[in-house]
Amino acid sequence: AQSVAQPEDQVNVAEGNPLTVKCTYSVSGNPYLFWYVQYPNRGLQFLLKYITGDNLVKGSYGFEAEFNKSQTSFHLKKPSALVSDSALYFCAVAIYNTDKLIFGTGTRLQVFP
Amino acid sequence: GAVVSQHPSRVICKSGTSVKIECRSLDFQATTMFWYRQFPKQSLMLMATSNEGSKATYEQGVEKDKFLINHASLTLSTLTVTSAHPEDSSFYICSAGRTGFRDTQYFGPGTRLTVL
Repeated sequence: AQSVAQPEDQVNVAEGNPLTVKCTYSVSGNPYLFWYVQYPNRGLQFLLKYITGDNLVKGSYGFEAEFNKSQTSFHLKKPSALVSDSALYFCAVAIYNTDKLIFGTGTRLQVFP
Repeated sequence: GAVVSQHPSRVICKSGTSVKIECRSLDFQATTMFWYRQFPKQSLMLMATSNEGSKATYEQGVEKDKFLINHASLTLSTLTVTSAHPEDSSFYICSAGRTGFRDTQYFGPGTRLTVL
């Protein structure tokens, strides 16, 4: 079965420090992976995606993610966190041969001043 | 580009009434739209896939007669919650892709439904 896991419910980081939000996946075929961010009472905003090519994907707002096939991971990273990055982050994987996305349970990022 | 809107953003209704939620792709055409439901502090659960000009495909466990979906044009899909009950209270989010298969899904801002 295809799935995506976000092992951390919450990540706390001080402003200016690097941040990592973890995501691992299990899929049939080649993985199509996405990161989205959700602010309170809002829909999801697209950050970045991995389809093929370079394992390091750069996205919006200074975020990037590294695809690691051997570890089946797609961790979200940012070199220097901002307080405004505080939000709920979702990793998602496209179900094989469909348009459907499976979402992880989400990780709440809290950046402290 | 790739803006998706939803209307209304918030609705409160009495038990037994029906509520319609609209999802529009403002600057692109979407052959496929998706409807999700999100419970507090939980992830998104796909309810159905809406295809322009054809019947929606519902996920297992989602009542077709309860959640009516109409995708009448390439920019509009509607979700009607029929005979709403308090347990239908939730955050409903739609998404749309621009080019089809495996495209990035762009999400609407969501609709908060509260059934009294």
